[in-house]
Amino acid sequence: DGGITQSPKYLFRKEGQNVTLSCEQNLNHDAMYWYRQDPGQGLRLIYYSQIVNDFQKGDIAEGYSVSREKKESFPLTVTSAQKNPTAFYLCASSIRAGVTNEKLFFGSGTQLSVL
Amino acid sequence: RKEVEQDPGPFNVPEGATVAFNCTYSNSASQSFFWYRQDCRKEPKLLMSVYSSGNEDGRFTAQLNRASQYISLLIRDSKLSDSATYLCVVKANTNAGKSTFGDGTTLTVKP
Repeated sequence: DGGITQSPKYLFRKEGQNVTLSCEQNLNHDAMYWYRQDPGQGLRLIYYSQIVNDFQKGDIAEGYSVSREKKESFPLTVTSAQKNPTAFYLCASSIRAGVTNEKLFFGSGTQLSVL
Repeated sequence: RKEVEQDPGPFNVPEGATVAFNCTYSNSASQSFFWYRQDCRKEPKLLMSVYSSGNEDGRFTAQLNRASQYISLLIRDSKLSDSATYLCVVKANTNAGKSTFGDGTTLTVKP
């Protein structure tokens, strides 16, 4: 079955530590996205990538970094500069970016907590 | 003011009730509109797209009012399984078509 796989499901970060969240898709989608969700709030865009080797900052990129070396993979690193990283992180993809009526496909999410 | 605003609720309704949610958006360049459903600690799943002429999918009806810049979702004959958070999503035709999410409306259907 095609889909998006996020790992791990739960992740704990110590102070000053960088952690990386994995996102892999086998849908052959060009566009991939990372969102952050805090309790009682909607999703906020961290980074997005329209094509391999290209990515753009979203609305809350500070303290995060990404790479897009392969079409299937879009890992997110939460750096020590992100002072409030505890949140639910969701990876998504779509066939192409910027196309109207293009829906998002989501992974099952990673809950990141600070020790 | 947020770009996409929803009444957070919670909406507590009995089984069989009809319930409606509204969502307003501020970007007049918005072109695509969706309702997603999210269960607790799970990923959002597409419930339905919203088309200009309005559209229906079983017990769910979505409508768009471009002049007033709002969309709505009507759920008829509520089931216990409809309990979830409903997210309004708006997509512009600019800015690489980024999707903007509302904070969601929580619905609890009770026996």
